[in-house]
Amino acid sequence: DGGITQSPKYLFRKEGQNVTLSCEQNLNHDAMYWYRQDPGQGLRLIYYSQIVNDFQKGDIAEGYSVSREKKESFPLTVTSAQKNPTAFYLCASSILAGVLSSSYNEQFFGPGTRLTVL
Amino acid sequence: AQSVTQLDSQVPVFEEAPVELRCNYSSSVSVYLFWYVQYPNQGLQLLLKYLSGSTLVESINGFEAEFNKSQTSFHLRKPSVHISDTAEYFCAVNEKGRRALTFGSGTRLQVQP
Repeated sequence: DGGITQSPKYLFRKEGQNVTLSCEQNLNHDAMYWYRQDPGQGLRLIYYSQIVNDFQKGDIAEGYSVSREKKESFPLTVTSAQKNPTAFYLCASSILAGVLSSSYNEQFFGPGTRLTVL
Repeated sequence: AQSVTQLDSQVPVFEEAPVELRCNYSSSVSVYLFWYVQYPNQGLQLLLKYLSGSTLVESINGFEAEFNKSQTSFHLRKPSVHISDTAEYFCAVNEKGRRALTFGSGTRLQVQP
């Protein structure tokens, strides 16, 4: 079955530790995204990547880092610099049509990882 | 810059009653519009989308949304809700040419028996 997997589902971290959230997709999508979800605030974009070895900061990138060494994988590291990391993290992917085409950006989401800092 | 406003954070409704979840957007260019649904502790699922053409779009489970350009709205409606519709609903906008979606803050639909 094609889809997006995120692991682990629940993650606990002590303050001051870095932690990496996994996101894998087998949809052959070019673009991948990371969002953070907090109660009452909807989803906010952390980072996105349109192709391998390239990624762009979103609206709330401070305290996070990403890599895109393979098309199917887009791990997110929550560093100790992130002041309030407790949240639900969602990964998504989409087909990336050509720049000149009138494309739309339907995103497919993984099940999410709930990170709690103790 | 694109933005989305969902005015109602929670909407309680009785089973079999009609419901409307409101969504307004702001953008200086043409947009694509989406409604996503999220069940507890799960990811988001696409409910319906407006890309072009008919301004009324429908989902397979009875929801519909109408794109109103003059009012910059994309409200979600269902004539008769079920208990299973209890979830959080997110409106999202994508400006043509941009890669990222912008989401509203979400509306929690609570269907009561």
